Amino acid sequence: QQQVKQSPQSLIVQKGGISIINCAYENTAFDYFPWYQQFPGKGPALLIAIRPDVSEKKEGRFTISFNKSAKQFSLHIMDSQPGDSATYFCAADNYGQNFVFGPGTRLSVLP
Amino acid sequence: DGGITQSPKYLFRKEGQNVTLSCEQNLNHDAMYWYRQDPGQGLRLIYYSQIVNDFQKGDIAEGYSVSREKKESFPLTVTSAQKNPTAFYLCASSRTFGDLTFGSGTRLTVV
Repeated sequence: QQQVKQSPQSLIVQKGGISIINCAYENTAFDYFPWYQQFPGKGPALLIAIRPDVSEKKEGRFTISFNKSAKQFSLHIMDSQPGDSATYFCAADNYGQNFVFGPGTRLSVLP
Repeated sequence: DGGITQSPKYLFRKEGQNVTLSCEQNLNHDAMYWYRQDPGQGLRLIYYSQIVNDFQKGDIAEGYSVSREKKESFPLTVTSAQKNPTAFYLCASSRTFGDLTFGSGTRLTVV
């Protein structure tokens, strides 16, 4: 019940396209859903996060869509750029107890 | 600049040897964490500490040990009991109920 599922495992998108990564969870106690971006050889960095009281959050080209009833959330990257090529992790947290991470999606944006 | 410093960046361990990974933060964060990253498995929690002189086991604590004698420092020892230690190790910190800030990681290889 603590697991967070993430798909796809890898994603290839043309420059200017839309990248979509999906996550699903089971534990309804989760109350915070961040996305992290990781470049090779570096630690993950917080990209954007959402709480379940809203259905969407947008920051620049990055948008989180949240469906509480389906227990699913997704990351949309608009106008994808080669510099967005990285591994993306979704995560879920329960009142700061412990973050549970998805297995990651490796995104490649072709020039 | 505030942040988390992990050292060394690369570490090689011989069979039966204990090694210690360093993690120092100057963010004045109360909580510190150690994660292990393997390809395709996301980030798995090894140990975490909410306050000095106290720490809790995560999901994969067997074969690892930690100490938290200072707020700024949270070293991880990989003992000879850890049979498959080759991985990328990430240290993180956070304010209470806050977002995780990660270091740049230590890549440990058994030789």
